[in-house]
Amino acid sequence: SQQGEEDPQALSIQEGENATMNCSYKTSINNLQWYRQNSGRGLVHLILIRSNEREKHSGRLRVTLDTSKKSSSLLITASRAADTASYFCATDAVGSGNTGKLIFGQGTTLQVKP
Amino acid sequence: EAQVTQNPRYLITVTGKKLTVTCSQNMNHEYMSWYRQDPGLGLRQIYYSMNVEVTDKGDVPEGYKVSRKEKRNFPLILESPSPNQTSLYFCASSQGRWSPLHFGNGTRLTVT
Repeated sequence: SQQGEEDPQALSIQEGENATMNCSYKTSINNLQWYRQNSGRGLVHLILIRSNEREKHSGRLRVTLDTSKKSSSLLITASRAADTASYFCATDAVGSGNTGKLIFGQGTTLQVKP
Repeated sequence: EAQVTQNPRYLITVTGKKLTVTCSQNMNHEYMSWYRQDPGLGLRQIYYSMNVEVTDKGDVPEGYKVSRKEKRNFPLILESPSPNQTSLYFCASSQGRWSPLHFGNGTRLTVT
């Protein structure tokens, strides 16, 4: 079963608005990552937040992590049409050993209308 | 330019015809992995490798083989492809097990 579940599944906003996506997971983690995928292309890493961090910023991106609620959110401020993509959270579960396996959520599809 | 290169981008084949999808990275990464992406199922790990000659199964290894003879290359082999292996495949690499992954652009495989 998927560790990460994103919400909403789809989001449509106007350029300039903020977009917030949420991710919930089930087990304890070492870190949580967010990736972006343009249609049919490879995923691009956006940001990594460790389990002992609560908030992290990168440019127009802000990620929060609440380990007590097992949830994370990705905020994209002042969105642009180029932000149109699918966004995935990915977690590595504590105890997953040497696999380095990231468990990806189903993703949020974001459409930014010009 | 740092990148993960997969070939081919698109592949249509018939059941049972052996095929290989190549993957190469130029970042001297130790960790490499293969994922498949299917609608409704998300990304699932097929195999991973922590270094040369060190490979192990992921979540969905059945029907696939891999090898890691050189650090930069990590080919995915389908000895006898079946229609349920129709999918979008991604190779990825990273500096270490828990470092951010660099993905290739994907290989869209159709098995008829």
